[in-house]
Amino acid sequence: AQSVAQPEDQVKVAEGNPLTVKCTYSVSGNPYLFWYVQYPNRGLQFLLKYITGDNLVKGSYGFEAEFNKSQTSFHLKKPSALVSDSALYFCAVSSQTGANNLFFGTGTRLTVIP
Amino acid sequence: KAGVTQTPRYLIKTRGQQVTLSCSPISGHRSVSWYQQTPGQGLQFLFEYFSETQRNKGNFPGRFSGRQFSNSRSEMNVSTLELGDSALYLCASSLGIAGDKQETQYFGPGTRLLVL
Repeated sequence: AQSVAQPEDQVKVAEGNPLTVKCTYSVSGNPYLFWYVQYPNRGLQFLLKYITGDNLVKGSYGFEAEFNKSQTSFHLKKPSALVSDSALYFCAVSSQTGANNLFFGTGTRLTVIP
Repeated sequence: KAGVTQTPRYLIKTRGQQVTLSCSPISGHRSVSWYQQTPGQGLQFLFEYFSETQRNKGNFPGRFSGRQFSNSRSEMNVSTLELGDSALYLCASSLGIAGDKQETQYFGPGTRLLVL
């Protein structure tokens, strides 16, 4: 079975500081991991994904994520947070049993304080 | 290239009614997936369609159904609405390479359904 955990419901950081949004996963086989962001009254926007290769994945809007197999983690990071980064962030893992469905974490609300 | 579009954006229905939601994928995308988002259950996979066939299904009752047309547009239908069906319904499209779990899914803005 596949599952994703986002241990923090909410993360607050000051503008200009680095941010980290945590994600751990559980899958059988190779993990395919994704980060999405959701702004109010909007759908999900794709940020980045890990398939294979380098453990550090770079994505949109200056975000990156680090894949750590031993810790089964895929934390989202950004060196310098912007107020406009305030949103709901979802980590997701691709199913290993079916075709094209994603298992999502419960989401982490990021607030960047000016 | 235009993104995923969903209509209508907002919908109010009463218990017992049925509803049909529509999704137009990104041009060239052949796979369409549907998700339900609620505060209590989060984001849950409903089903996926590829080449007019349901390829995968989540754990939802039979009241939830869908279909896909030859132009890859998809509709989902919910019959005999219940209060708990109030949610944001998101559609996502991807290229649809069969069995490719690495594909990126691109989401539409969603349809917010309120059941009274």
